[in-house]
Amino acid sequence: DGGITQSPKYLFRKEGQNVTLSCEQNLNHDAMYWYRQDPGQGLRLIYYSQIVNDFQKGDIAEGYSVSREKKESFPLTVTSAQKNPTAFYLCASSPRRGGAEGYTFGSGTRLTVV
Amino acid sequence: AQSVTQLGSHVSVSEGALVLLRCNYSSSVPPYLFWYVQYPNQGLQLLLKYTTGATLVKGINGFEAEFKKSETSFHLTKPSAHMSDAAEYFCAVTLPGGATNKLIFGTGTLLAVQP
Repeated sequence: DGGITQSPKYLFRKEGQNVTLSCEQNLNHDAMYWYRQDPGQGLRLIYYSQIVNDFQKGDIAEGYSVSREKKESFPLTVTSAQKNPTAFYLCASSPRRGGAEGYTFGSGTRLTVV
Repeated sequence: AQSVTQLGSHVSVSEGALVLLRCNYSSSVPPYLFWYVQYPNQGLQLLLKYTTGATLVKGINGFEAEFKKSETSFHLTKPSAHMSDAAEYFCAVTLPGGATNKLIFGTGTLLAVQP
């Protein structure tokens, strides 16, 4: 079955370290998205990509970086510049245009700074 | 630009009672509308969507929503709440045929179901 896989489910990071969250999809979707979720703050867009080798900043891109070298993969790196990285991170994908399909989400990665 | 407002960040109902979660949107053209559900420590799952056609749409787990253009609303309802309905619910909007497929999400409504 097609879907999105995020790994790992739980991740612990020491202060000052960079960590990379994985997101892989086999839905043949062009567009992929990264969201951050904090209690009571809904979903906040970090980065999105409409096509391979192209991506745009979302609302809270500072302290994060992404790459889109393959259609199936959109990894997110949380850098040491991100002041408060502890959060739940969600990856999603969709067709590039049309709108009727909405997003398919992964099951999330919970990142904790220790 | 589109936007979506969910009234009530927390809603509590008794088991067996009607569930009503409110969503109002702003859009220059009739949009596509979605409701997603999120259980603790999980991703979002599509409950239902309105794109074209019948304005009353039925989704999974007994939920339904009605697109009311005159009221710019897309409220989510379920006649009888179950304990398993306790979750966070997100309304989302996008423009049909837009240059991108970006969804605009509401801030979410946390539904609690009391025994």
